[in-house]
Amino acid sequence: KNEVEQSPQNLTAQEGEFITINCSYSVGISALHWLQQHPGGGIVSLFMLSSGKKKHGRLIATINIQEKHSSLHITASHPRDSAVYICVVLPNTGNQFYFGTGTSLTVIP
Amino acid sequence: DAGVIQSPRHEVTEMGQEVTLRCKPISGHDYLFWYRQTMMRGLELLIYFNNNVPIDDSGMPEDRFSAKMPNASFSTLKIQPSEPRDSAVYFCASSFTGSGNTIYFGEGSWLTVV
Repeated sequence: KNEVEQSPQNLTAQEGEFITINCSYSVGISALHWLQQHPGGGIVSLFMLSSGKKKHGRLIATINIQEKHSSLHITASHPRDSAVYICVVLPNTGNQFYFGTGTSLTVIP
Repeated sequence: DAGVIQSPRHEVTEMGQEVTLRCKPISGHDYLFWYRQTMMRGLELLIYFNNNVPIDDSGMPEDRFSAKMPNASFSTLKIQPSEPRDSAVYFCASSFTGSGNTIYFGEGSWLTVV
């Protein structure tokens, strides 16, 4: 049983499209992270959320604690957004982190 | 700041050899994480430290793996003896409680055990 489920697993979009990546989890959490891993392997932390919504440039992350769900949105997608996006949750009990399996995004020019 | 620094960037070693991966976190950060990434299992958290103290090592796969953080500016992840299934990218990351818990990743150590 995976405590964190991401969808879709793979996503191909045309440049300019609005993109949504979803993350659902089954445990109570204290925080949720969205990570971005580029094709070269480097990992960047995009957001840390415990409630509500955060925006950074063309990226928007939302979380609904009651529904145990988070979304990552990319507006006006660009080929440089092509990466794997990983959802990570920090449960509010215990010390273990739970990882989603990632969403591989390809944005075509 | 130079960011999280990991070494070596790449290592190829023979099965049975000891492997030591090193990490220098960002100065002032109080959390340090070791992750492993494989095609089969994705990204996994192995262990993390808070103020140099291991908080959770339940992700460490077995006794062949050990991690230490002797001081706030240095950590090691050791595999002894190494096995081919340990081949993976090992990431170190650090964060600071006061920074909104943004996690900063190193570039990874690419390990191949033959």
